[in-house]
Amino acid sequence: AQKVTQAQTEISVVEKEDVTLDCVYETRDTTYYLFWYKQPPSGELVFLIRRNSFDEQNEISGRYSWNFQKSTSSFNFTITASQVVDSAVYFCAPSRRLPGAGSYQLTFGKGTKLSVIP
Amino acid sequence: NAGVTQTPKFRVLKTGQSMTLLCAQDMNHEYMYWYRQDPGMGLRLIHYSVGEGTTAKGEVPDGYNVSRLKKQNFLLGLESAAPSQTSVYFCAMQTGPNSPLHFGNGTRLTVT
Repeated sequence: AQKVTQAQTEISVVEKEDVTLDCVYETRDTTYYLFWYKQPPSGELVFLIRRNSFDEQNEISGRYSWNFQKSTSSFNFTITASQVVDSAVYFCAPSRRLPGAGSYQLTFGKGTKLSVIP
Repeated sequence: NAGVTQTPKFRVLKTGQSMTLLCAQDMNHEYMYWYRQDPGMGLRLIHYSVGEGTTAKGEVPDGYNVSRLKKQNFLLGLESAAPSQTSVYFCAMQTGPNSPLHFGNGTRLTVT
């Protein structure tokens, strides 16, 4: 079974501040993927990043960066110079392989609600 | 949302009624999923399909049935709705093996 903990239920920051969203997971799988999704107030789920458990390189995409540390089972997400449009609920999700090649189940955390105040 | 369309967007049912949620993709991808989202619980997998004519149970399948008669469509059925099935339902598809899941916009279902 997998478990994911997003300890921060809600975070508020002032625009242009940096903010880090924490994600700690438990898994018995040796190979897995890790995902981050964004859910803005409009309700849709937007894919942000996928990371393979073998690839521990940090990644930067514009104002977004991710810090994956397999030794501590953490996959943290940082937004630099936050903007009001970043206000959303952010979900971390490790994956578990399902029967059927290429299919897998995402185990979603409860999410962190980020509010960016202008 | 990557060509995934869910209908309807909203629905209110009375306990014991039945309904079908439709998920349609505009491509020809194999893998499709149904999740439900409840406050404070993230999303949980109900059923999934790895191809036309195949379905399998996920984490919370009880009270639901699914069908994948055509590759483009993945149907989620509630035979006898219960208030515990009040939720937001999301369909997702994968564009290829090990690719990210792309979600539809969701169906908000209320069972009174």
